[in-house]
Amino acid sequence: DAEITQSPRHKITETGRQVTLACHQTWNHNNMFWYRQDLGHGLRLIHYSYGVHDTNKGEVSDGYSVSRSNTEDLPLTLESAASSQTSVYFCASSDSGGHRELFFGEGSRLTVL
Amino acid sequence: QKEVEQNSGPLSVPEGAIASLNCTYSDRGSQSFFWYRQYSGKSPELIMSIYSNGDKEDGRFTAQLNKASQYVSLLIRDSQPSDSATYLCAGALYNFNKFYFGSGTKLNVKP
Repeated sequence: DAEITQSPRHKITETGRQVTLACHQTWNHNNMFWYRQDLGHGLRLIHYSYGVHDTNKGEVSDGYSVSRSNTEDLPLTLESAASSQTSVYFCASSDSGGHRELFFGEGSRLTVL
Repeated sequence: QKEVEQNSGPLSVPEGAIASLNCTYSDRGSQSFFWYRQYSGKSPELIMSIYSNGDKEDGRFTAQLNKASQYVSLLIRDSQPSDSATYLCAGALYNFNKFYFGSGTKLNVKP
């Protein structure tokens, strides 16, 4: 079955360290998204991509970067982790064209100490 | 103003009752709407999508869309304790590949 997987599922890191969260989907979807979810804020869009080599900033992109070198993967990098980036991160993907549905990975819980 | 607004709840209903969850949106360009269920500690799971005005039924779930009033709702009939979760409403612009999420309504179904 097609799926979307995230790794690691849990990570603890220190302030200032670089962290990369992986996202891999086998749906062959063109569109991929990274969200963070915090109490009181719901799901907030960090970055998104509509295809290979395409990346776009979302509403909370500061301190984060993504790259899209193939259809299946959209890794999220925190260049210098900050305590404010402690959150649960969800990767999601959707197909292109017409009405489309968004499917989520299982999430990555990141703690920055 | 947020693109999608939901009452955060919690909404408490007794087992067997109808739970009614509501959502309003601000962007008239939004054409696709979705309801996601999220259990505590889990990822959002798509349960309903609706694109046209009117009702769409799937089992115990009915989604309702009123584009003139910019209003989306989800009815859960014969609510079960297993329906206790946070329900996220989302809207998307046709062909723009961007989704806007409400902050979610927490539903408690009491046995």
